[in-house]
Amino acid sequence: KQEVTQIPAALSVPEGENLVLNCSFTDSAIYNLQWFRQDPGKGLTSLLLIQSSQREQTSGRLNASLDKSSGRSTLYIAASQPGDSATYLCAAYSGYSTLTFGKGTMLLVSP
Amino acid sequence: DTGVSQDPRHKITKRGQNVTFRCDPISEHNRLYWYRQTLGQGPEFLTYFQNEAQLEKSRLLSDRFSAERPKGSFSTLEIQRTEQGDSAMYLCASSLVTGTNEKLFFGSGTQLSVL
Repeated sequence: KQEVTQIPAALSVPEGENLVLNCSFTDSAIYNLQWFRQDPGKGLTSLLLIQSSQREQTSGRLNASLDKSSGRSTLYIAASQPGDSATYLCAAYSGYSTLTFGKGTMLLVSP
Repeated sequence: DTGVSQDPRHKITKRGQNVTFRCDPISEHNRLYWYRQTLGQGPEFLTYFQNEAQLEKSRLLSDRFSAERPKGSFSTLEIQRTEQGDSAMYLCASSLVTGTNEKLFFGSGTQLSVL
């Protein structure tokens, strides 16, 4: 059974800092890994999806990497802004409709 | 708006009442998912449909829960005889599966509070 762990559970940084969020998964037989953003009381917004054959994906100030062999993914946020404050969730897709989520990292970027 | 829409956004009910939520997926998507999320946790899979067929149900989905997707379009999730433990955010997602590639798009969720 796939298990996804995210570290840290919470992170507080001053505006402008670069930061890294970590995600690990126990079963490396995944088709893709997806990073989501969730604002309080809201649904999930997809940020980046990395296929199992890819090493990384970039969108604006966000860069996600994937290392299947070690069961790890990271989300790098450059030059953080207060508007980046949210919970970030990673989810591993193992096919057959199975998308397993971590508990998320709650990020607070202070002005 | 071409995203996944859910209705209502919030629902407050008394224990023992029945509630029904609706999800309208992105029109060309063939898969529709229901997830449940409690505070401080990631979403947990409940059930999913491929077109109108319900293909998988989680053990989290007790017999008080029922989901339908008539005609493979919108879906409803009904909870009968609600309990306080049912209080959670209920998220709907849809996807268009192409080969082994699948990307889920989520709605804004329905926040259920059972008093």
